[in-house]
Amino acid sequence: DAGVTQSPTHLIKTRGQQVTLRCSPKSGHDTVSWYQQALGQGPQFIFQYYEEEERQRGNFPDRFSGHQFPNYSSELNVNALLLGDSALYLCASSGRDFFNEQFFGPGTRLTVL
Amino acid sequence: AQKVTQAQTEISVVEKEDVTLDCVYETRDTTYYLFWYKQPPSGELVFLIRRNSFDEQNEISGRYSWNFQKSTSSFNFTITASQVVDSAVYFCALIGGGTSYGKLTFGQGTILTVHP
Repeated sequence: DAGVTQSPTHLIKTRGQQVTLRCSPKSGHDTVSWYQQALGQGPQFIFQYYEEEERQRGNFPDRFSGHQFPNYSSELNVNALLLGDSALYLCASSGRDFFNEQFFGPGTRLTVL
Repeated sequence: AQKVTQAQTEISVVEKEDVTLDCVYETRDTTYYLFWYKQPPSGELVFLIRRNSFDEQNEISGRYSWNFQKSTSSFNFTITASQVVDSAVYFCALIGGGTSYGKLTFGQGTILTVHP
């Protein structure tokens, strides 16, 4: 049973560019959440998708957007990249109820130059 | 708003010592869940435990134990007889059923280093 998978593993972009990160949830999970983890910090919640809609959003600007597909996989898009967007981006999947444990993928390391 | 505080930034112990990681939380939700995650150098967060706000029983799993005290809003994690493989960053996290539905709030993490 495959766990949460993310692609790519690493990514290098320059300021102003756009990036798309991808996530496939664990089998049986229908909810996907995205987190940003800066170096030395705890993960910060970006948003959560359920039934192809954004169900909850953290304190991130509109440059951060997402999508969930009918097969529950998800994308995170970041436009107009800033140096401060450099971080580890983590995807987590879970069941639909808020109290379900979230299982995390290995993350995508984004570096913005 | 929800908040999780892990006051210990770094802890260093020698193998076989017991170590306790502290976690204090704030929430206005009456129903909430607390979690501990482990993040080894590989970067992937590993789920360790979940407790709900109505269950204050302590839990033990092998060398790991958790002490949940609602009166002090604390959810501490103890590793007994620590091993080098326990070296990692440990995160305490909180999720509520109110306005922050689905939003897992993490503490800053505690870096645990276990020396041989």
